[in-house]
Amino acid sequence: KNEVEQSPQNLTAQEGEFITINCSYSVGISALHWLQQHPGGGIVSLFMLSSGKKKHGRLIATINIQEKHSSLHITASHPRDSAVYICAASIIQGAQKLVFGQGTRLTINP
Amino acid sequence: DGGITQSPKYLFRKEGQNVTLSCEQNLNHDAMYWYRQDPGQGLRLIYYSQIVNDFQKGDIAEGYSVSREKKESFPLTVTSAQKNPTAFYLCASSIQRGRRELFFGEGSRLTVL
Repeated sequence: KNEVEQSPQNLTAQEGEFITINCSYSVGISALHWLQQHPGGGIVSLFMLSSGKKKHGRLIATINIQEKHSSLHITASHPRDSAVYICAASIIQGAQKLVFGQGTRLTINP
Repeated sequence: DGGITQSPKYLFRKEGQNVTLSCEQNLNHDAMYWYRQDPGQGLRLIYYSQIVNDFQKGDIAEGYSVSREKKESFPLTVTSAQKNPTAFYLCASSIQRGRRELFFGEGSRLTVL
């Protein structure tokens, strides 16, 4: 079992729908990152959080430390949100280590 | 604008050849990283460097080599010893290693013919 698991692996939705992508981790972490990989391959950091909730525009990230779970929400989804969303955990293992989930491929149809 | 520049974006190589991927950053970041991405798998760390003239192996360093002669530059050489080099390679940087925000380049896709 991977230390960081994302679900779903693929998600297709219609424009305007509310989107939720989930990330679960099995070890102690110091921070959780949400990244967006656009079709060209480059990656952009969306959020880094260690507790509670962060919001940026139509994107919201939440984390529940007790349940070892984080979610990324997209409100009023748009075709330009189509990308791969990656969850990554800064894992405390002696030295800090970043472990990546497999990614969720999101497609928003107009 | 500050950022990370990777080159080339696409590269083809014959078996047995070494190839070097370039990564340059003008963010004044101390830490730099190389990751490999394969379909259906999470990014895996190849090498990282926290300071000039120092670098450490990541989880999958075999068949790769790096150098860090300048703060801005962290080139990755894929050697002929790497058994399965066809992959997408991403360079990243952060202020320090650990729970710091990562900044990524656009990636380099290497195909071995």
